[in-house]
Amino acid sequence: SQQGEEDPQALSIQEGENATMNCSYKTSINNLQWYRQNSGRGLVHLILIRSNEREKHSGRLRVTLDTSKKSSSLLITASRAADTASYFCARTSGTYKYIFGTGTRLKVLA
Amino acid sequence: EPEVTQTPSHQVTQMGQEVILRCVPISNHLYFYWYRQILGQKVEFLVSFYNNEISEKSEIFDDQFSVERPDGSNFTLKIRSTKLEDSAMYFCASSEQALLGEKLFFGSGTQLSVL
Repeated sequence: SQQGEEDPQALSIQEGENATMNCSYKTSINNLQWYRQNSGRGLVHLILIRSNEREKHSGRLRVTLDTSKKSSSLLITASRAADTASYFCARTSGTYKYIFGTGTRLKVLA
Repeated sequence: EPEVTQTPSHQVTQMGQEVILRCVPISNHLYFYWYRQILGQKVEFLVSFYNNEISEKSEIFDDQFSVERPDGSNFTLKIRSTKLEDSAMYFCASSEQALLGEKLFFGSGTQLSVL
């Protein structure tokens, strides 16, 4: 399967803690993006990292990419209850088809 | 802020019936997509559309599915004869440029229930 896989499938943390989600994939990529989905809603783009980048920051988000291991991680620092959502990685590899992973369901407890 | 709009938000239909899901992408966007998500799980690619033709489609997008941009604003997904397994949330998305890695803007989805 070309699909990426997020890990863990579900994560429950206390407010203020950091949340780390991982994404693995099987084929080479042009770039990798992370999206967030609130329950029953559309996906919202969070951050993009290109294949020649290793780390990127945006506010409380930090994304890393290891192309040798075909994996990426998304770190949310100082989590808030409002961060409760599902998080998906999506990659493109030479086409305009964005392949989404299976998602990590994050629950931040107040 | 511009957004992708989808109608209806919910659609209930009988098995074997035709349904048309409608989307209005962001006005200056050039690439359009349909995805679906079953039971809040994985997000599956169906089709991409550019310059009035299909760019790519997945194995899910069989002869029962078709897409159309009937005018300058709407983008539709038609399922000709619905099956029970077509029940899912269908998302329309668009991107501004025909560049690899452009971020996608998603609509809020149409929940399709096939009875």
